[in-house]
Amino acid sequence: SQQGEEDPQALSIQEGENATMNCSYKTSINNLQWYRQNSGRGLVHLILIRSNEREKHSGRLRVTLDTSKKSSSLLITASRAADTASYFCATDAVYGNKLVFGAGTILRVKS
Amino acid sequence: KAGVTQTPRYLIKTRGQQVTLSCSPISGHRSVSWYQQTPGQGLQFLFEYFSETQRNKGNFPGRFSGRQFSNSRSEMNVSTLELGDSALYLCASSIGNTGELFFGEGSRLTVL
Repeated sequence: SQQGEEDPQALSIQEGENATMNCSYKTSINNLQWYRQNSGRGLVHLILIRSNEREKHSGRLRVTLDTSKKSSSLLITASRAADTASYFCATDAVYGNKLVFGAGTILRVKS
Repeated sequence: KAGVTQTPRYLIKTRGQQVTLSCSPISGHRSVSWYQQTPGQGLQFLFEYFSETQRNKGNFPGRFSGRQFSNSRSEMNVSTLELGDSALYLCASSIGNTGELFFGEGSRLTVL
């Protein structure tokens, strides 16, 4: 079963706008990661945030983690058409030793 | 550095057949994980190998098996194929401590 659940399931925005995706999970974690997948291809790692961190930035990406609410958000600023993809959160549970992926958010950026 | 290589990229099989998929990890990576991706179930963890040992296994029937060789290359096998096994099978390698996973492009299996 999936540990993380993303919302919204799908998001459509105009180029230049910001996109926010949320992820909720169920158990205590060591870290949470976000990945991107372009249509039917392999996943690409975007960012990892550890359980003792609250916020992390990487270029146009900003990730927050709230362990008390068991939730995370991914913000993509100034989106581009090339950001069109599916975005997945993945959690590394404290007693799991494996990454468990959520259902993903499909982002469409219109130019 | 070469990325994760999966072969074959596409294959078509019929029900009852068996299939073997191959994964070559990034040089120096000792952990290889396999995932099944379908529209209905999303990304499901199959198993993980580290230094030739299966370290973790997902909730799949015994028809799904894998192995890892001494050079870290991994194979997975699905026997007695069913229509529901049609999926994108993704392999990912890592150094080994559930940090960043590096994924291959996947093997897309269609079962007719």
